[in-house]
Amino acid sequence: EVQLLESGGGLVQPGGSLRLSCAASGLTFSSYAMSWVRQAPEKGLEWVSTIGLSGGSTYYADSVKGRFTISRDNSKSTLYLQMNSLRAEDTAVYCCAVGATAGYFGYWGQGTLVTVSS
Amino acid sequence: EIVLTQSPATLSLSPGERATLSCRASQSVSSYLAWYQQKPGQAPRLLIYDASNRATGIPARFSGSGSGTDFTLTISSLESEDFAVYYCQQRSNWPRTFGGGTKVEIK
Repeated sequence: EVQLLESGGGLVQPGGSLRLSCAASGLTFSSYAMSWVRQAPEKGLEWVSTIGLSGGSTYYADSVKGRFTISRDNSKSTLYLQMNSLRAEDTAVYCCAVGATAGYFGYWGQGTLVTVSS
Repeated sequence: EIVLTQSPATLSLSPGERATLSCRASQSVSSYLAWYQQKPGQAPRLLIYDASNRATGIPARFSGSGSGTDFTLTISSLESEDFAVYYCQQRSNWPRTFGGGTKVEIK
């Protein structure tokens, strides 16, 4: 059974930083592109970022480009999201996600809440 | 960026009725479109991928159709557990994008 467990969320002031982690199990982690998707309170889903198998390819939403960095450690089956220069509009539940078919999200974690507020 | 527009925003139906949800893309996504179901407090669940393929374990009452810019998710006969929010998502281009969602509520 695929399990994705996020951690690292919390309350941070505008301009601050956080690092999210996603520990994966039940899959050959190094064989899958991994993604972050977020959902602001009472809002829809927003794709944030995707990283390729080895970490050499990364993709970002325009809303986070230049502020967020996605990375992975295949030896630890763990995905990361370094978030800098946080803004109020980054407040959301952040989920890691993966799919058997690249580009879709068949497995999701339960998410970690990031709140950006003074 | 490919914009996905879902309609209607809310669909009020009774159990046993047929639900038809629409997703329109601002440019062609070929067949690279998925549908997700999300219930309150839960992560989204993949229902349909590549426009018409049901994901593992998804009941046959869920079906998807379309290609290019116009797509439809059909629930043939609504069960009580189907009342939820549904999102479409494309993987044709970067950035990946989701539609704004359609809420299927009990009438």
